[in-house]
Amino acid sequence: EPEVTQTPSHQVTQMGQEVILRCVPISNHLYFYWYRQILGQKVEFLVSFYNNEISEKSEIFDDQFSVERPDGSNFTLKIRSTKLEDSAMYFCASSVFQYSNQPQHFGDGTRLSIL
Amino acid sequence: QQQVKQSPQSLIVQKGGISIINCAYENTAFDYFPWYQQFPGKGPALLIAIRPDVSEKKEGRFTISFNKSAKQFSLHIMDSQPGDSATYFCAASMGGGATNKLIFGTGTLLAVQP
Repeated sequence: EPEVTQTPSHQVTQMGQEVILRCVPISNHLYFYWYRQILGQKVEFLVSFYNNEISEKSEIFDDQFSVERPDGSNFTLKIRSTKLEDSAMYFCASSVFQYSNQPQHFGDGTRLSIL
Repeated sequence: QQQVKQSPQSLIVQKGGISIINCAYENTAFDYFPWYQQFPGKGPALLIAIRPDVSEKKEGRFTISFNKSAKQFSLHIMDSQPGDSATYFCAASMGGGATNKLIFGTGTLLAVQP
């Protein structure tokens, strides 16, 4: 079964440094998402992306965050200047369409640790 | 209004028993209610989902019960097995917009004892 792939599985970065998290969505999916899960807390929506544009973003997704689909397969989340509170699991998800009954498939996440 | 409230926070069930996890929402614009299962070190995996025009959906040992008037829905795991031990998240989303972002509940850590 096709799956969403995320790299790296664990990223350790000094505070203030830039970090790029990478995702390869399922190949025929058109809608892409980033979610965040702080340890022990619920999964929170960050941003959705379609047709090379942000469709929606949450209040968490401030100017330090950006997303990009640099080629036909990768989808990236960049944090420009990391803060301690950015430490979390970051999950990429994708779906075929944006309709609410279309399941979103999640990757296994990247654990981001900010020192 | 965008919140989904989930209970209990943790649940211990004996093997063969029934696990029940409850969720409640306020926003009547939500029209899709999935349940996700998450094992340690893994991403959430879709387990089962329901639309509000249906009161119950069953897939194998997993059943969603949906009460539209009470704005509540629940997951029932019949004949619970140790392999079901995981964190379960309910979620909700709404159609008609530019995106179908998922609003997650706070999660329930289920432990099924052998």
